Amino acid sequence: QQQVKQSPQSLIVQKGGISIINCAYENTAFDYFPWYQQFPGKGPALLIAIRPDVSEKKEGRFTISFNKSAKQFSLHIMDSQPGDSATYFCAASSAGNTPLVFGKGTRLSVIA
Amino acid sequence: EPEVTQTPSHQVTQMGQEVILRCVPISNHLYFYWYRQILGQKVEFLVSFYNNEISEKSEIFDDQFSVERPDGSNFTLKIRSTKLEDSAMYFCASSVDGSNYGYTFGSGTRLTVV
Repeated sequence: QQQVKQSPQSLIVQKGGISIINCAYENTAFDYFPWYQQFPGKGPALLIAIRPDVSEKKEGRFTISFNKSAKQFSLHIMDSQPGDSATYFCAASSAGNTPLVFGKGTRLSVIA
Repeated sequence: EPEVTQTPSHQVTQMGQEVILRCVPISNHLYFYWYRQILGQKVEFLVSFYNNEISEKSEIFDDQFSVERPDGSNFTLKIRSTKLEDSAMYFCASSVDGSNYGYTFGSGTRLTVV
């Protein structure tokens, strides 16, 4: 019940295309859903996050879509660029200060 | 921008040896965490620390692990008797108020146990 399932494991997208990464969770107590971006040799960096009181959050080219009834959330990267090539992790937590539960990550490659 | 600093970036140790991984959290942060990432796997929570004591730990954080804030700036993770399966990337994180919204991760220490 503590798991966050992430797919796909890897993704190749043409430059300018849309990258979509999906996550699903079971624990209905989760109330915070961040996405982290990780470049090789670096730690995860917070990219964008959403609370379940909204269905969508957009920051620049990055959008989170959240479906509370389906217990799913996804990251959309519009106009994907080679610089977006990284590993993306979804995560979830409850009560604001419980440990983050991470998905297994998606390795995104944006090719020109 | 303030950073969480971890040293060393890479450590190789013999199985059975003790290792200490060091972290300097962001100066005004009060909550500290260790996570680990086995190669190619997800990031997993180990322990959280506040007010000089452990506030939460996972089942991974068994008796061979310990954490300490020996002075006002450092936060350390000690592994007493390393095993091959301890080989992983260890990330320190800190947050100013304990909320997950303000997590900042360090760049990690790659621990290789041989």
